[in-house]
Amino acid sequence: EPEVTQTPSHQVTQMGQEVILRCVPISNHLYFYWYRQILGQKVEFLVSFYNNEISEKSEIFDDQFSVERPDGSNFTLKIRSTKLEDSAMYFCASSENSRNTEAFFGQGTRLTVV
Amino acid sequence: GQSLEQPSEVTAVEGAIVQINCTYQTSGFYGLSWYQQHDGGAPTFLSYNALDGLEETGRFSSFLSRSDSYGYLLLQELQMKDSASYFCAVVWNQGGKLIFGQGTELSVKP
Repeated sequence: EPEVTQTPSHQVTQMGQEVILRCVPISNHLYFYWYRQILGQKVEFLVSFYNNEISEKSEIFDDQFSVERPDGSNFTLKIRSTKLEDSAMYFCASSENSRNTEAFFGQGTRLTVV
Repeated sequence: GQSLEQPSEVTAVEGAIVQINCTYQTSGFYGLSWYQQHDGGAPTFLSYNALDGLEETGRFSSFLSRSDSYGYLLLQELQMKDSASYFCAVVWNQGGKLIFGQGTELSVKP
């Protein structure tokens, strides 16, 4: 069964460092998303991406965040200068249609900023 | 603003039926989805309702009333493996953004 894969599964970084979280969405999907979940809290939308551009972003997704689809298969989330409050589980998701009738999530990257 | 309300936790016994309710206030509503999450792992899709009524998928059913801004997830013949967090999520606009509720922690007891 096709799945969304994310690497790494766990990343520890020092405050102020840049991190890149990587995702390989399902191959025939066209809509891509990043979400985050702070421990014990709800899943929060960060950004949606379609046709090689951001279609929507949340207030959380400030200038420190960026996304890229560099090669037609990978979908990356970059945090330029990490803060302690960026510590969370980051989930990538993909969907084959704009109505997102079924989103497929990756296993997540647990980011710990120290 | 956008908000979803669901109970924080529910406890039930094996073999029972449990209903998890979700009310929402949001604009640009396209549909209501339900996701299951075990121990902070990947949210897994359970169901999607775009129209009023009941959708059934095996032991799980989901209901939507757009006029009442209300939906529920019904789990039948509960099994221990159903112990997990269940999130309702509004599919907000044509780009497919999901807005999640706070989640309901379901504990299934023997």
